[in-house]
Amino acid sequence: DAMVIQNPRYQVTQFGKPVTLSCSQTLNHNVMYWYQQKSSQAPKLLFHYYDKDFNNEADTPDNFQSRRPNTSFCFLDIRSPGLGDAAMYLCATSMDSSSYNEQFFGPGTRLTVL
Amino acid sequence: SQQGEEDPQALSIQEGENATMNCSYKTSINNLQWYRQNSGRGLVHLILIRSNEREKHSGRLRVTLDTSKKSSSLLITASRAADTASYFCATVFSTGTASKLTFGTGTRLQVTL
Repeated sequence: DAMVIQNPRYQVTQFGKPVTLSCSQTLNHNVMYWYQQKSSQAPKLLFHYYDKDFNNEADTPDNFQSRRPNTSFCFLDIRSPGLGDAAMYLCATSMDSSSYNEQFFGPGTRLTVL
Repeated sequence: SQQGEEDPQALSIQEGENATMNCSYKTSINNLQWYRQNSGRGLVHLILIRSNEREKHSGRLRVTLDTSKKSSSLLITASRAADTASYFCATVFSTGTASKLTFGTGTRLQVTL
């Protein structure tokens, strides 16, 4: 089945130790998104890629970076995780930029920072 | 913040009852979407309602939209224990490179047997 896959499902890192979260999709969608969702809160968009074009949200901290080496894969890099970065990180895709497209979400990676 | 508000924050009902969740938003919209999230999982798209629509049905789901009041509601009829989840409304803004979702605060629905 076509889907959005995130690895790992659970990630534990130490304060200040870089960490990379992975997302892959078999939908061949043009747009990939990364969201941060803290406990009992709504998902918040960090950035997105339209094909190879990276688009950062204005309030996304510099600590967060992303890479999209090809259509299928997208990575979220957290350069120096702080305790406040502990959250669920959700990857999503959409076919294109039309507002009438739904987004397809992966199961998420829960990040714990010790 | 452009985030919408949802109420109630939490709702507990018995199986077979109807569940109604309300969403208010702040900006003009092209459309509004509802998503469901099971605990600790990703979100699943439920239904989309366009700004020129007032009501839409999908199975046991009924969504209304009142653009003059900037509000929407999601009704789940004849609820089941498997409907237990968090439900989020999301307003959609297309930038040309993405369709950006701004989620409401969510309603946690608990359906008991």
